[in-house]
Amino acid sequence: GQQVMQIPQYQHVQEGEDFTTYCNSSTTLSNIQWYKQRPGGHPVFLIQLVKSGEVKKQKRLTFQFGEAKKNSSLHITATQTTDVGTYFCADFNDYKLSFGAGTTVTVRA
Amino acid sequence: DARVTQTPRHKVTEMGQEVTMRCQPILGHNTVFWYRQTMMQGLELLAYFRNRAPLDDSGMPKDRFSAEMPDATLATLKIQPSEPRDSAVYFCASGLMGIGSPLHFGNGTRLTVT
Repeated sequence: GQQVMQIPQYQHVQEGEDFTTYCNSSTTLSNIQWYKQRPGGHPVFLIQLVKSGEVKKQKRLTFQFGEAKKNSSLHITATQTTDVGTYFCADFNDYKLSFGAGTTVTVRA
Repeated sequence: DARVTQTPRHKVTEMGQEVTMRCQPILGHNTVFWYRQTMMQGLELLAYFRNRAPLDDSGMPKDRFSAEMPDATLATLKIQPSEPRDSAVYFCASGLMGIGSPLHFGNGTRLTVT
């Protein structure tokens, strides 16, 4: 089964607003990867977090790894229509990448 | 731009027929993964290979599914016989060995079994 749990499952956002999606685990994670899948597309790698408390930014996206390495978050500021899609966190464990269920984001203009 | 190539993009078949999906990983990548995506189950890991050797196929129904890498440029996923519950999008992904190496996904094969 899935080791990582993502919340919320769906996020409906007004264009221009901020939102955060979360990835939680009951066990310590070695590292976390984030992927984005556009509707009808395939998952595309966004970023990897390895260190406790690590924060990385990609333009309007901010990724964070918890201090205990049991959770991670993705925060998007000033949401745009191009942010539509499903965001997955994935746990790289035992050389396998196991995906969470994803947060599906829709944007209303 | 190097990319993972999957064929066919779409496949519609009748229950009981054999289905073969093919994947050409990115040249130089030594790990290959097969995932199945459905609305209900999300992205499920079916099998993965390292240096062409199967390392884990515990996610795959053994009685009807088989995965192979006959050479470094080809990975196959076969379903025989297919069933309607196999309808899903099947993704192949490749990467380099090592923690944190990102996976590169193909465009997927959308399988419909009637």
